[in-house]
Amino acid sequence: SQKIEQNSEALNIQEGKTATLTCNYTNYSPAYLQWYRQDPGRGPVFLLLIRENEKEKRKERLKVTFDTTLKQSLFHITASQPADSATYLCALDQAGSYQLTFGKGTKLSVIP
Amino acid sequence: GAVVSQHPSRVICKSGTSVKIECRSLDFQATTMFWYRQFPKQSLMLMATSNEGSKATYEQGVEKDKFLINHASLTLSTLTVTSAHPEDSSFYICSAQTGGVSNQPQHFGDGTRLSIL
Repeated sequence: SQKIEQNSEALNIQEGKTATLTCNYTNYSPAYLQWYRQDPGRGPVFLLLIRENEKEKRKERLKVTFDTTLKQSLFHITASQPADSATYLCALDQAGSYQLTFGKGTKLSVIP
Repeated sequence: GAVVSQHPSRVICKSGTSVKIECRSLDFQATTMFWYRQFPKQSLMLMATSNEGSKATYEQGVEKDKFLINHASLTLSTLTVTSAHPEDSSFYICSAQTGGVSNQPQHFGDGTRLSIL
């Protein structure tokens, strides 16, 4: 069966450290993978998109990697700040589809 | 840019009431809009996909007569929960996408918290 697993339900990290979140999938062949941030009681906000032929993507303090052999994406936040505390969702498509399937998310808490 | 407005943000009503939720793209034309449902600590579950001017496509297990979707224009989609019951209580979120093609991000509204008494 198809699965998207974000390995940690919750992650606590000290301010200033790098947070690394993991997204693994099985029985998908995604053309791209996206990461979103969701704050309590709000809708998700798009952060980054990485295509299957891209190894790495960066945006300011964010970095995403995509390994289609391992079927895994890593999401890094460098120099983390308390304002980065939120739930982070990975989402992927089935190749050629514009619909996304979301993981359950990882709740990140950055401790001052 | 790419702002999606969803109203109302919260609804509390009696069992048997029908509730309409609006989703508007404010500064872009949304070829495709999506409706999701989210339970606490759970993932977003896609309910249906709607394209402007055509019938919505519902995911397996979602009752189309229960959850009526209308996408009358490129900036507005509505979800009507008909004859709502307590089990319909949930967080409903819409999103919009330009271009109707893959590899475009989805832009989300802020959700509607529906509570049926």
